Amino acid sequence: DTAVSQTPKYLVTQMGNDKSIKCEQNLGHDTMYWYKQDSKKFLKIMFSYNNKELIINETVPNRFSPKSPDKAHLNLHINSLELGDSAVYFCASSPQGHGTGLTGELFFGEGSRLTVL
Amino acid sequence: KNEVEQSPQNLTAQEGEFITINCSYSVGISALHWLQQHPGGGIVSLFMLSSGKKKHGRLIATINIQEKHSSLHITASHPRDSAVYICAGPPGEKLTFGTGTRLTIIP
Repeated sequence: DTAVSQTPKYLVTQMGNDKSIKCEQNLGHDTMYWYKQDSKKFLKIMFSYNNKELIINETVPNRFSPKSPDKAHLNLHINSLELGDSAVYFCASSPQGHGTGLTGELFFGEGSRLTVL
Repeated sequence: KNEVEQSPQNLTAQEGEFITINCSYSVGISALHWLQQHPGGGIVSLFMLSSGKKKHGRLIATINIQEKHSSLHITASHPRDSAVYICAGPPGEKLTFGTGTRLTIIP
């Protein structure tokens, strides 16, 4: 069983469209994350959720909206896609929650490669 | 300037060589992660450590919190170790990632 699964793995779309990427973890972890990896392979945190509550929103445009229906799921919705949104988006989870001072070991999904034309 | 710096950026070595990748950070952190990104793109957590040394198979990670420095060592390197190695440190829940070290092991 895949611990952290993301769908879709590849997404090609036109500028201006709205798209979603889904993430699910079956590890029972409290905390989930979205990271963006740009063309230079640099990883940067976008959002962190702990038990469905938004903890980190790291200067991401309002066009990006995370949704956590339950602590096993963290979806990423992107409105009005722009060329610069092209990247690989990674979902991850960790056991420790906010306030512990330690993130805990991270478990990553396989990534979703978004290409905006 | 990135808060987490890695060196070298690229490293090519012969199979069997001892490999060292360094990570330095400019802010105080309580723990540090080492990640491996495969050529196919998937990311795997190798270590999370807050002091001393951890070993897993041929991989060894060390950290000195006071000196703000960590190293990842690979003994008896093998072509399957070819990947990008990334260090990452909090503070708190926010991870800051290094720029990665691309390691290529030649048979």
